[in-house]
Amino acid sequence: EVQLVESGGGLVHPGGSLRLSCEASGFVLSSHWMHWVRQSPGKGLVWLSRSSPDGSRTVYADSVKGRFTISRDNAKKTLYLQMNSLRPDDTAEYYCVRDADFGRAFDIWGQGTLVSVSS
Amino acid sequence: DIQLTQSPSSLSASVGDRVTITCRSSQYISKYLNWYQQKGGKGPKLLIYDASSLQSGVPSRFSGSGSGTDFTLTIISLQPEDFATYYCQQSYSTPFTFGPGTKVDI
Repeated sequence: EVQLVESGGGLVHPGGSLRLSCEASGFVLSSHWMHWVRQSPGKGLVWLSRSSPDGSRTVYADSVKGRFTISRDNAKKTLYLQMNSLRPDDTAEYYCVRDADFGRAFDIWGQGTLVSVSS
Repeated sequence: DIQLTQSPSSLSASVGDRVTITCRSSQYISKYLNWYQQKGGKGPKLLIYDASSLQSGVPSRFSGSGSGTDFTLTIISLQPEDFATYYCQQSYSTPFTFGPGTKVDI
């Protein structure tokens, strides 16, 4: 079964750091662009970042540029999101997402991991 | 950044109804518009990609149309499992923005 499973969320103080992980199964991670998307409680979806299949090319939303870093270890079948200088408005469910190998669409989503930033 | 607007923001419908949701882009995005369904706080599910292509496994009662800046998602004969929130998303250029969502309920 094609699946993405996120982990690493939790409660963190403002200014703190967290690293999210996303383990891929049922497909070859190194063949796909991958993304992180978040959703604040009761709000809409916000795209954060994408990584090329080999991890050499990355793009970020302005809201997280310079604070978040996307990376991957294809041998371990895992995508990461290092989050630094966290702020209360970073509180959200974070989803790991696969880019389809047809068209430009997000065809597989993880179940999400919740990050809460609060003092 | 490309802005997407959706209308309506919410709608009430009944089983068997035909439902139409529109998505408008602030800039030309060719065919690069996707539609997702989200239920119960779970990760969204891809329904339609490239404006009108039906994702594998998605029922044929879902269809998409449009190009350029104006797009439509149509659900013919709404089923109980279709009550959810629907989002459009542009994949023309980064940042890959989403619309604000349309909640479909009874």
